[in-house]
Amino acid sequence: AQKITQTQPGMFVQEKEAVTLDCTYDTSDPSYGLFWYKQPSSGEMIFLIYQGSYDQQNATEGRYSLNFQKARKSANLVISASQLGDSAMYFCAMRRNTGGFKTIFGAGTRLFVKA
Amino acid sequence: GAVVSQHPSRVICKSGTSVKIECRSLDFQATTMFWYRQFPKQSLMLMATSNEGSKATYEQGVEKDKFLINHASLTLSTLTVTSAHPEDSSFYICSARDTQEKVLKYNEQFFGPGTRLTVL
Repeated sequence: AQKITQTQPGMFVQEKEAVTLDCTYDTSDPSYGLFWYKQPSSGEMIFLIYQGSYDQQNATEGRYSLNFQKARKSANLVISASQLGDSAMYFCAMRRNTGGFKTIFGAGTRLFVKA
Repeated sequence: GAVVSQHPSRVICKSGTSVKIECRSLDFQATTMFWYRQFPKQSLMLMATSNEGSKATYEQGVEKDKFLINHASLTLSTLTVTSAHPEDSSFYICSARDTQEKVLKYNEQFFGPGTRLTVL
């Protein structure tokens, strides 16, 4: 069975500093995709970054980077130069690349950026 | 990115009534749409996979007769919460896959803005 684990219910970071949000996963599928989404208080799901299981390099999207360690089954999100607007809920997710392409989500981490 | 809309964005209803939530892909075709449920301060839980022209596939523990899903066209899926009760109050989010994308990419699934259901 597939599983996504986010062990940090809440995180604090000082504005302009970097922060790492942890995510580990479990799957027996050889092909899968890993995602991070941001959910502000409005509820919308905002796509941040994607990592494919066969990608050799870690994904980067602006201030977001994904530290992908396949052997450890971890996909941590690094946000550099935190901004006040980064305060939100962050979800790690995994998509199966077969059998319906279902995506499952971790429990989420609430990030608080302090001025 | 592509746009997915949901209607209504917020609904309040009396216990025992049925509520229909629409999910539309505005600028792309979506053979597959997903329905999620999110309780306050919790994660998104996949309820069902909606396939155009066929029956939805429900996740374990989700009542098919309670949550009716219809995917009648490539741009519209509906979720009907039948005989709603206060415990059905939740945030319902849909997502749609762009079927034009032949290669699995990160941007092939787009989320709607969500519908907040409150059952009194």
